[in-house]
Amino acid sequence: AQSVAQPEDQVNVAEGNPLTVKCTYSVSGNPYLFWYVQYPNRGLQFLLKYITGDNLVKGSYGFEAEFNKSQTSFHLKKPSALVSDSALYFCAVILTAGQNFVFGPGTRLSVLP
Amino acid sequence: SQTIHQWPATLVQPVGSPLSLECTVEGTSNPNLYWYRQAAGRGLQLLFYSVGIGQISSEVPQNLSASRPQDRQFILSSKKLLLSDSGFYLCAYTQGAYNTGELFFGEGSRLTVL
Repeated sequence: AQSVAQPEDQVNVAEGNPLTVKCTYSVSGNPYLFWYVQYPNRGLQFLLKYITGDNLVKGSYGFEAEFNKSQTSFHLKKPSALVSDSALYFCAVILTAGQNFVFGPGTRLSVLP
Repeated sequence: SQTIHQWPATLVQPVGSPLSLECTVEGTSNPNLYWYRQAAGRGLQLLFYSVGIGQISSEVPQNLSASRPQDRQFILSSKKLLLSDSGFYLCAYTQGAYNTGELFFGEGSRLTVL
């Protein structure tokens, strides 16, 4: 069975510092991996995805993520955090387009001024 | 361009009353449609999904039902709400043709059952 883990419920980082939100997955096969962000009382917004190719993918708002097949990880990163990045972040996986998504439990990011 | 509309945005209902949440998608044909529930601002629970008109799959047995009367319309219903139905309900879709994998979400409907 497919599963996604986000080992940290909460990540706190100072504004201007780099941030990392961790994600590991368990699937049999080659996954499509996604990151979504959710601001309070809003729907989820797509940030970036990995399907194939370069392991480092770049997405919206300066975020990037690195696919590591040997560690089955897809950590979200940003070189310099902004207070406006404070939100709930979800990692998700599918095996093929059109398959139901498996979401991680979410990580709340707080960027402190 | 593609858009997804979800309404109402906020709803306060008494226990035992009916529910209808609506979702429509524009700009794509034959989308896969989804209803999720999010409790306490945290994880997502898939409730229903649909791959075509009249085709509904339920992921979790519960007090809710879903219908897809038109290709781009998805409705979440209940005949009698329970306190435990409170939550943030999200409609989402993936593209039918030219599916690039992403799941696109509506802005959500917050339901409070009193």
